[in-house]
Amino acid sequence: QVTLKESGPVLVKPTETLTLTCTVSGFSLSNARMGVSWIRQPPGKALEWLAHIFSNDEKSYSTSLKSRLTISKDTSKSQVVLTMTNMDPVDTATYYCARIRLVDSGYDFDYWGQGTLVTVSS
Amino acid sequence: SYELTQPPSVSVSPGQTARITCSGDALPKQYAYWYQQKPGQAPVLVIYKDSERPSGIPERFSGSSSGTTVTLTISGVQAEDEADYYCQSADSSGTLFGGGTKLTVL
Repeated sequence: QVTLKESGPVLVKPTETLTLTCTVSGFSLSNARMGVSWIRQPPGKALEWLAHIFSNDEKSYSTSLKSRLTISKDTSKSQVVLTMTNMDPVDTATYYCARIRLVDSGYDFDYWGQGTLVTVSS
Repeated sequence: SYELTQPPSVSVSPGQTARITCSGDALPKQYAYWYQQKPGQAPVLVIYKDSERPSGIPERFSGSSSGTTVTLTISGVQAEDEADYYCQSADSSGTLFGGGTKLTVL
């Protein structure tokens, strides 16, 4: 059974750094056909892709947020960590991690975590 | 910059057919994927590779592609299909989501 679970602070102050952890089970982060992405959704708004990491440690980031994001993984712990620096109230959102499934030349998100709401406020 | 464009809303009566479109210049070269999101829940994949349906997704959900537009079709819409729907495409450099379409079942 594949599961993903996000953990991290529910409240951060402006200018602080957010660190979120995605703990996965039911699959290995070393699986060549899979990866993990972070995706966020501000209240009442659309999904926004943030970053992804694959088994070979290949990483990619949203162009608009690249300077603030770092994604990493610990395969032995089955965890993927996202850090976002210089948090601002506009970063208030539900943050999801999702499993990437490589599909021919593209990929989809076949399993999602429940999401964690992060509020940025002083 | 590359975008995926969806209509903000679509409304249908129960039993009718709902069609939700997603347009983007890269869609002829990349597969599209569709997600259903109900309030307070995580998205669920309902269509992959333009027209494939994951196991467990009802047959009334189907997808098609033509040029720069992909379409999610829900035949015989049921009340439980009321949700937000998002298209997505991806390549090795990243992923893009459409702005989402709210499907209202009248």
